[in-house]
Amino acid sequence: ETGVTQTPRHLVMGMTNKKSLKCEQHLGHNAMYWYKQSAKKPLELMFVYNFKEQTENNSVPSRFSPECPNSSHLFLHLHTLQPEDSALYLCASSQMTSMYEQYFGPGTRLTVT
Amino acid sequence: GENVEQHPSTLSVQEGDSAVIKCTYSDSASNYFPWYKQELGKGPQLIIDIRSNVGEKKDQRIAVTLNKTAKHFSLHITETQPEDSAVYFCAATTSNSGYALNFGKGTSLLVTP
Repeated sequence: ETGVTQTPRHLVMGMTNKKSLKCEQHLGHNAMYWYKQSAKKPLELMFVYNFKEQTENNSVPSRFSPECPNSSHLFLHLHTLQPEDSALYLCASSQMTSMYEQYFGPGTRLTVT
Repeated sequence: GENVEQHPSTLSVQEGDSAVIKCTYSDSASNYFPWYKQELGKGPQLIIDIRSNVGEKKDQRIAVTLNKTAKHFSLHITETQPEDSAVYFCAATTSNSGYALNFGKGTSLLVTP
């Protein structure tokens, strides 16, 4: 266990559905991240939050909407997704941004039908 | 932006042999280089990292070397064991955008008994 938990672990949703992914870290970190992991592609950084403030939005479509209510929790709200959005969504946290070790959760395997 | 190339994409070794995975990066300002191990159904786990002020770092059977001039770094695993079988990712980042880890595409390592 890395101290970063994600729920649900698996999610199947239709293109018209709305769902949310949840991430929680128990490490006392101040920065949290969302990554997308697709087959045959490098991990892609989606969003970064530092002290609850979004500091990076890596050109992610608006159908992905992050929320960070506090330094321990991070959500990714999903709506009107496309089949190509099917992937493993990983949450990570670190003490601070900038050259600090990032610890990953187990991910949510998302399938869009 | 930073571009990280990783080779080989797959690697098969016999138990007890050594395994070497190589990465190159494009941004000469990169100064932090972590390596992650991802087992099936789990998120990436940080196994070792190196910063640009050192050329080599070792932790038991795992070592990482960094050549800043050539802009490449390598992961060395000695005395491999079946439990080392996993996908390994390298990453690079700079203090200019310190939180943006740029990942390689991964190397699938198989250690056969």
